Amino acid sequence: KAGVTQTPRYLIKTRGQQVTLSCSPISGHRSVSWYQQTPGQGLQFLFEYFSETQRNKGNFPGRFSGRQFSNSRSEMNVSTLELGDSALYLCASSLEGTIYGYTFGSGTRLTVV
Amino acid sequence: GENVEQHPSTLSVQEGDSAVIKCTYSDSASNYFPWYKQELGKRPQLIIDIRSNVGEKKDQRIAVTLNKTAKHFSLHITETQPEDSAVYFCAAFTTGNQFYFGTGTSLTVIP
Repeated sequence: KAGVTQTPRYLIKTRGQQVTLSCSPISGHRSVSWYQQTPGQGLQFLFEYFSETQRNKGNFPGRFSGRQFSNSRSEMNVSTLELGDSALYLCASSLEGTIYGYTFGSGTRLTVV
Repeated sequence: GENVEQHPSTLSVQEGDSAVIKCTYSDSASNYFPWYKQELGKRPQLIIDIRSNVGEKKDQRIAVTLNKTAKHFSLHITETQPEDSAVYFCAAFTTGNQFYFGTGTSLTVIP
């Protein structure tokens, strides 16, 4: 059974650019959550999608957005990149968006220069 | 919303000793508390979890305890080994179908 797949694994972008990250959940999982991980800050919740609808949102500016497709794959987009956006972006999927089988992907390491 | 605090941020122990990491939470509605281990460059992986109707759970060298009254839960690792070296995160799951994570503890086991 394939795990949660995130692409790309690494990205380098310039300030002001925008970026799109992709997350393919475990087959059958309909919920996808996104987190930003930075040293000292732990995992900060960005948003959660379930059945193509954003169900929860963390305290991030509007530059951070996401969407989910009918096959449950999700993308997150960051516009007008800032140096502080450099982080590991993790997604996690689960069956019902609750506690069962909550599994993380390996993340996308974004560096903004 | 929920607030999860985790201590210590770094922990070094000698191989064979025990390690304890503590987390506190603020929302009494939180009902599920997982612990994740993240090795360098890898994804966080669930190592143990506990639900609010249970006070303690053990899995070989790992145990978690929960004190609902005091709103804190702890991870205990006994007979530590070098491969236990990693960053450990606690989390609380509460109303709104959302996890709140602690800031992590970097555990180093010295051979």
